Amino acid sequence: DAGVIQSPRHEVTEMGQEVTLRCKPISGHNSLFWYRQTMMRGLELLIYFNNNVPIDDSGMPEDRFSAKMPNASFSTLKIQPSEPRDSAVYFCASIDSTGGTYNEQFFGPGTRLTVL
Amino acid sequence: GESVGLHLPTLSVQEGDNSIINCAYSNSASDYFIWYKQESGKGPQFIIDIRSNMDKRQGQRVTVLLNKTVKHLSLQIAATQPGDSAVYFCAENDRGGSYIPTFGRGTSLIVHP
Repeated sequence: DAGVIQSPRHEVTEMGQEVTLRCKPISGHNSLFWYRQTMMRGLELLIYFNNNVPIDDSGMPEDRFSAKMPNASFSTLKIQPSEPRDSAVYFCASIDSTGGTYNEQFFGPGTRLTVL
Repeated sequence: GESVGLHLPTLSVQEGDNSIINCAYSNSASDYFIWYKQESGKGPQFIIDIRSNMDKRQGQRVTVLLNKTVKHLSLQIAATQPGDSAVYFCAENDRGGSYIPTFGRGTSLIVHP
């Protein structure tokens, strides 16, 4: 398995532009997480999907952020309009939670976003 | 203005020494704990986990110790190598059935050759 795939790996954009980050979880994993990592706040959970349904989006900073999971193999995180304070590394992670037991998350390589 | 970065705890060791990285967790209901390693430019990577019915678990060159009384977790790395240089995170899950782990701030391990 190729692991969790994220694209793009790097994104540089100007303030006010729309940004879309993409994630392909590991095949068979039924839960997907979006995280943001900065030096100031560390690793923050933004939103969590289970079986393609958003379960907890309390970490989404504001209405400028939205996430979708149209099917089990694809998710997007959109920022519109983007602001310089959104600059961070965004990670997607997936997990197989079907067995009812805890398992570790598998993280993608991240997307480094820079908003000028 | 200039932003101030988060100052991670740092552990510096010599190659070949043993390393011990500590983590204090806050939720007494947590019953599953994981250590992750994050190398520069990469996502966190699973190292080892432990459930609350255990107090010690060993892997290859790594050992995790769990002290539920004082809510403390540690990661021991034997014969530390330069490739072990990374940021190490502990994460905890509670019994609520949520698969959402709570991550600690991380510790930076620097291994000097």
